[in-house]
Amino acid sequence: KAGVTQTPRYLIKTRGQQVTLSCSPISGHRSVSWYQQTPGQGLQFLFEYFSETQRNKGNFPGRFSGRQFSNSRSEMNVSTLELGDSALYLCASSLVSGFSYEQYFGPGTRLTVT
Amino acid sequence: ELKVEQNPLFLSMQEGKNYTIYCNYSTTSDRLYWYRQDPGKSLESLFVLLSNGAVKQEGRLMASLDTKARLSTLHITAAVHDLSATYFCGATDSWGKFQFGAGTQVVVTP
Repeated sequence: KAGVTQTPRYLIKTRGQQVTLSCSPISGHRSVSWYQQTPGQGLQFLFEYFSETQRNKGNFPGRFSGRQFSNSRSEMNVSTLELGDSALYLCASSLVSGFSYEQYFGPGTRLTVT
Repeated sequence: ELKVEQNPLFLSMQEGKNYTIYCNYSTTSDRLYWYRQDPGKSLESLFVLLSNGAVKQEGRLMASLDTKARLSTLHITAAVHDLSATYFCGATDSWGKFQFGAGTQVVVTP
């Protein structure tokens, strides 16, 4: 069974630009969650999508948004990039919503904002 | 707001000895998670603990949950070099928001 895939793996953007990251969950998984990992703030929850609906959202500004498609693939978008958005962005999929089940993490997208 | 605190943040282990990582959380949560992250890699799920008194074991790792004390422990038995990694605990609040601890960096030396 293929694991969680994320594209692109590495990305360099300039301040003020926007970026879209993609996550394909494990086949059959309907929940996708996104996390940001930085040395300073650690791992922070961005949002969770289940059946194309955002179920939960962390404490991030509105510049961070996401969506989920009918095939469970998810994208997250960051507009008006800031230097502080440089991070490893991880997505995780699980069978159902609510975090009662194991989450399987993708390899991450390393975003660098210059 | 749910807060999750891990300690210690750094743990130097000697091979063959036993150690414990502690994870405290601030509000009611009946779900506790443990993950492992190797340098430069993604997270690997170790355990999902869903009820008070839950205990799960995999190899040299054993995790337990005490919801009354709002405490989970990850016990490492007879540490080996392969267990060197950063270990994170996480919990969900009643609204379903997920919060990670800061992580415990484990280094196992001979």
